[in-house]
Amino acid sequence: GAVVSQHPSRVICKSGTSVKIECRSLDFQATTMFWYRQFPKQSLMLMATSNEGSKATYEQGVEKDKFLINHASLTLSTLTVTSAHPEDSSFYICSAREGGGPVGNEQFFGPGTRLTVL
Amino acid sequence: GEDVEQSLFLSVREGDSSVINCTYTDSSSTYLYWYKQEPGAGLQLLTYIFSNMDMKQDQRLTVLLNKKDKHLSLRIADTQTGDSAIYFCAEAGGSYIPTFGRGTSLIVHP
Repeated sequence: GAVVSQHPSRVICKSGTSVKIECRSLDFQATTMFWYRQFPKQSLMLMATSNEGSKATYEQGVEKDKFLINHASLTLSTLTVTSAHPEDSSFYICSAREGGGPVGNEQFFGPGTRLTVL
Repeated sequence: GEDVEQSLFLSVREGDSSVINCTYTDSSSTYLYWYKQEPGAGLQLLTYIFSNMDMKQDQRLTVLLNKKDKHLSLRIADTQTGDSAIYFCAEAGGSYIPTFGRGTSLIVHP
């Protein structure tokens, strides 16, 4: 299947700093990319959906000024956690999808980024 | 309640069959998915079934769908230690964006 990478895989930062996480589709062009947050023993919570070249659509309760998403190209989306606090510590997973309909609607997931805010 | 529910843990002996159950609430679900997550890794799509199907089999995996009861199950035959992971049930409608359950931790012991 298609490969999605995330960088970094693990990051530790101080409270108040900003952290950028990259998500790349390596062998396909991702029309749509998704950002999820996963707490221990919990489901994946969809944070936002981004389409290349347009603004991200955030799920209810997700602060768009806190979690900045940029989908500048068909192979790269970035999530920036601004002014991070300990409660932002979590496992962040991205996924990418080539198409939006029945063909190519499968999402391919990245390996995740473990963010720890001290 | 949650949109997709599944039990949190399942423990089986190596060689036995594992059955992971899931219930969902959205009657307009079009696709039902099973994903596998190994420790520290992202999700891997194992299999999926269209809502107009009752069963799908793929090697050791069998998916059963009872649309009337909104119940989905994943059976893993001849479970191996390498099958130990978290298994997520998910459903999607016309947007094809999955809503995930909380995941079932499958523990396979010798």
